[in-house]
Amino acid sequence: DAGVTQSPTHLIKTRGQQVTLRCSPKSGHDTVSWYQQALGQGPQFIFQYYEEEERQRGNFPDRFSGHQFPNYSSELNVNALLLGDSALYLCASSYGTKGFGTQYFGPGTRLTVL
Amino acid sequence: QKEVEQDPGPLSVPEGAIVSLNCTYSNSAFQYFMWYRQYSRKGPELLMYTYSSGNKEDGRFTAQVDKSSKYISLFIRDSQPSDSATYLCAMSAQAGSQGNLIFGKGTKLSVKP
Repeated sequence: DAGVTQSPTHLIKTRGQQVTLRCSPKSGHDTVSWYQQALGQGPQFIFQYYEEEERQRGNFPDRFSGHQFPNYSSELNVNALLLGDSALYLCASSYGTKGFGTQYFGPGTRLTVL
Repeated sequence: QKEVEQDPGPLSVPEGAIVSLNCTYSNSAFQYFMWYRQYSRKGPELLMYTYSSGNKEDGRFTAQVDKSSKYISLFIRDSQPSDSATYLCAMSAQAGSQGNLIFGKGTKLSVKP
């Protein structure tokens, strides 16, 4: 059973550029959440997608946007990159709207902005 | 005051010791409590989750929640070098599928052989 997968593993960009990160949820999961983890910090919630719509959003600017596809996979887009966007970006998947809906995390994409 | 406080450590213990990891929180709406383990350069791995107050045991791991004190703990018995990792507490006011998780900063644990 494949877990949550993310691509690419690592990415280096320069300030002002745009980046797209990708996530495939665990088999059977339909909800995808994105988190940003800065070095030495806990993950911070960016947003969550369910049924191809953004259901919740954390305290992140509009430069951060996302999308969910009919197969439940998801993309995170960041425009006008800043040095402070350098972090590990984590995708977590879960199932449904009822019950506990444990979130399972992928390995992350490490983004470095120069 | 941050919503979730967690001592970042580092915490170093000898193999076989009992480890106690703790978090405090300020939001009384939190009902779902989780502990994740994160190895270096990897994503967080769910270890334990509990709903509301009480204890939960799974093998060498025990999670405790005291909502009256807004305090949660994770105990690791007979610690092993393979337990060396960063331990993150996380909590949510809603069920995991629906709620965003609020994490502590993580405690870095090192278990020495």
